[in-house]
Amino acid sequence: SAVISQKPSRDICQRGTSLTIQCQVDSQVTMMFWYRQQPGQSLTLIATANQGSEATYESGFVIDKFPISRPNLTFSTLTVSNMSPEDSSIYLCSAQSGGETEAFFGQGTRLTVV
Amino acid sequence: GESVGLHLPTLSVQEGDNSIINCAYSNSASDYFIWYKQESGKGPQFIIDIRSNMDKRQGQRVTVLLNKTVKHLSLQIAATQPGDSAVYFCAEMSNDYKLSFGAGTTVTVRA
Repeated sequence: SAVISQKPSRDICQRGTSLTIQCQVDSQVTMMFWYRQQPGQSLTLIATANQGSEATYESGFVIDKFPISRPNLTFSTLTVSNMSPEDSSIYLCSAQSGGETEAFFGQGTRLTVV
Repeated sequence: GESVGLHLPTLSVQEGDNSIINCAYSNSASDYFIWYKQESGKGPQFIIDIRSNMDKRQGQRVTVLLNKTVKHLSLQIAATQPGDSAVYFCAEMSNDYKLSFGAGTTVTVRA
């Protein structure tokens, strides 16, 4: 199993600013992912955080808006850039090891843009 | 991409009764189907998975059924407890381990 810590747990930000969310895993994992979840809705995959290379983004998400870093096998960051109220959501990171189906999730970062 | 959806957005269950949560999927190429439980203010928690070449798998108090003919997935919870109150998502996993989540069912357990 893996324990995932996300920081911050919540934030209220001004439009036009950027917020970086950190995700720390207590063990080395092969894969890390970032999801977005609107309150009361399902999770949508933003991107796969690749260690040592550029993240792989899903349709509708771009690097300029959601730059992602993954410097090692236990840590990743997601930045929400030039925020607007439409970016208000819960952002979650997940981690899993290769060959495993069980993905572990952080508790999420609740972002409100005003 | 393909989507995985749930039949009912809410389910109210009497404590001690069995719960059945349903999900319809559309991508027959998925390798695994997985159920997650999400409690308020927390991230999703893995419950059980089933490989695409199986039709039934049992865990502790939970059973997942997969009907590939009609592309239907269900989660059965035996003797539902108050701690089972949560939102339940079905998800499909592709061969690159990406998860595609369904819409979710909110389960409320009545005392």
